[in-house]
Amino acid sequence: EPEVTQTPSHQVTQMGQEVILRCVPISNHLYFYWYRQILGQKVEFLVSFYNNEISEKSEIFDDQFSVERPDGSNFTLKIRSTKLEDSAMYFCATTGYGYTFGSGTRLTVV
Amino acid sequence: KQEVTQIPAALSVPEGENLVLNCSFTDSAIYNLQWFRQDPGKGLTSLLLIQSSQREQTSGRLNASLDKSSGRSTLYIAASQPGDSATYLCAVISSDAGNNRKLIWGLGTSLAVNP
Repeated sequence: EPEVTQTPSHQVTQMGQEVILRCVPISNHLYFYWYRQILGQKVEFLVSFYNNEISEKSEIFDDQFSVERPDGSNFTLKIRSTKLEDSAMYFCATTGYGYTFGSGTRLTVV
Repeated sequence: KQEVTQIPAALSVPEGENLVLNCSFTDSAIYNLQWFRQDPGKGLTSLLLIQSSQREQTSGRLNASLDKSSGRSTLYIAASQPGDSATYLCAVISSDAGNNRKLIWGLGTSLAVNP
């Protein structure tokens, strides 16, 4: 069964540093998403991406965040200057019939 | 604004019990509803997807029903096993989401099945 692959599984970074989270979506899916889940809170939508551009973003997705598909296969989420409150699980997802999620990246900002 | 609520927040049952998890949503205009499973510190595994025109979906020991008019869905787990222990999340896509189809999530029900 096709999978969404995310790397790394866990990243620890110093506050103020830039991080890039990577995802390999299912190849024939057209819509890509990033969600995050802060410990003990609901999963939250960050951004959707279609046809090489952002189609919708949430209030959370401010200027510190960016997404791109640099090589036609990988799909990345960049956080330019991490804050403590960015610590969360970040999930990449694609949609075909329904949603398929990756296993997530646990980001810890110290 | 769509809100999704799940009750109970936590549930502990002995092995073998049949159980029901509840999900409610405030706006009945949904495109579909999906149930997910999340193991501690892990990813989100899709269990069942119910389109807005459907009433239920079944997969093995799992059965999900949808009553759109009352804004409710239930996930029924038959003959529960310790391996069913996880958090179960409900999420909806509003019908006005267009092609973006972002999910609106509940907080989940944390299930423990005791041997």
